[in-house]
Amino acid sequence: AQKVTQAQTEISVVEKEDVTLDCVYETRDTTYYLFWYKQPPSGELVFLIRRNSFDEQNEISGRYSWNFQKSTSSFNFTITASQVVDSAVYFCALKEGSNYQLIWGAGTKLIIKP
Amino acid sequence: NAGVTQTPKFQVLKTGQSMTLQCAQDMNHNSMYWYRQDPGMGLRLIYYSASEGTTDKGEVPNGYNVSRLNKREFSLRLESAAPSQTSVYFCASSEPIEQFFGPGTRLTVL
Repeated sequence: AQKVTQAQTEISVVEKEDVTLDCVYETRDTTYYLFWYKQPPSGELVFLIRRNSFDEQNEISGRYSWNFQKSTSSFNFTITASQVVDSAVYFCALKEGSNYQLIWGAGTKLIIKP
Repeated sequence: NAGVTQTPKFQVLKTGQSMTLQCAQDMNHNSMYWYRQDPGMGLRLIYYSASEGTTDKGEVPNGYNVSRLNKREFSLRLESAAPSQTSVYFCASSEPIEQFFGPGTRLTVL
């Protein structure tokens, strides 16, 4: 059965610290997609990144980076030099190949203190 | 290009009342979705529409109905609202993989 686990319910760090959000997934499909979404206090859901199961290259976008490791079924998200504006709930999600449904983790609430 | 829009933004209902949540997208996406988000939880899929003319149940369809009016619009109806349906409702669309979300409707059922 498919499942996404975000074991960190809440993380609090001081501004400029680096922080990593963990995501572990389970699936039997060989073709699947992983996502990260950001939900700031205003409530909207913002798409951050998609990773395909056949592409294990890590990705960097500014202060954000993602580490996809099939061997450990993990898709972790690191924010470097965190800023107060990064405070949000971050969700990891999984989509199996032909399935329309996204399977969501419970989310990690990230608090960046000034 | 507004993306995905939802109306209303907020709604308070009494138990037993009915209402329809509206969703529209201008990205020419084939697939559309309705989710609910309860406090401290991820999103749960209520219904989805893979393409115009089709709808399918998601994880939590009981108490809801949907209509895919055309390619742009996908509505969610609560026929007889219950307090357990108090939640934030999100509409999304996709083509074909990543989903893009509307701003949400905060619904309270008293």
